[in-house]
Amino acid sequence: QVQLQESGPGLVKPSETLSLTCTVSGGSLSGYYWNFIRQPPGKGLEWIGYMYYSGNPNYSPSLKSRVTISVDASKNQFSLKLSSVTAADTAVYYCARGRGGAYHYRFDYWGQGTLVTVSS
Amino acid sequence: QSVLTQPPSASGTPGQRVTISCSGSSSNIGSNTVNWYQHLPGTAPKLLIYSNDQRPSGVPDRFSGSKSGTSASLAISGLQSEDEADYHCAAWDDSLNGPVFGGGTTLTVL
Repeated sequence: QVQLQESGPGLVKPSETLSLTCTVSGGSLSGYYWNFIRQPPGKGLEWIGYMYYSGNPNYSPSLKSRVTISVDASKNQFSLKLSSVTAADTAVYYCARGRGGAYHYRFDYWGQGTLVTVSS
Repeated sequence: QSVLTQPPSASGTPGQRVTISCSGSSSNIGSNTVNWYQHLPGTAPKLLIYSNDQRPSGVPDRFSGSKSGTSASLAISGLQSEDEADYHCAAWDDSLNGPVFGGGTTLTVL
């Protein structure tokens, strides 16, 4: 059974960089898209972006200038960096495995999420 | 403001049938398949329905999905207390070149 687990600081200061890592167990990174998704308090889910296991990142247009997602296949991990954060970036951040082409794209495994608060 | 539109809440009594709607546009639901996720707070969201009407292994057949034009629906029959959760619809958006979500619907079993 594939499992994903997010890790990283729960508190980040405004203007700094948010960094999270997702560790994948029970399967390899090969053949899938590795995503980060967030949910601000009281709001819906928002896709941040993905990195295909062999490269080719794809980021949400609204966050593209501040986001970097990378994959480390040797550690079975992938990571998120979101720069110049503000209070609007406070959210529960999820990592998820994506599969299928655009027409069929879905997230078949998710982490349980980690709350990141942006505050001084 | 979410790209896909869902009612914020829904409710039903045990044994009842409940439906949750999801409305989009030609660039997302109108062009691509719809997925539904079940989310109990504090846990990992779970893929409930994919490709409009397909259930992953282990999902009871009480859950069903459908799509027509730029709208989709999730139906839950024989409602149970354990079905109390948030439900999110999602689809790829060709204009944004990425997946988009609805705002989520909180289902209460009365």
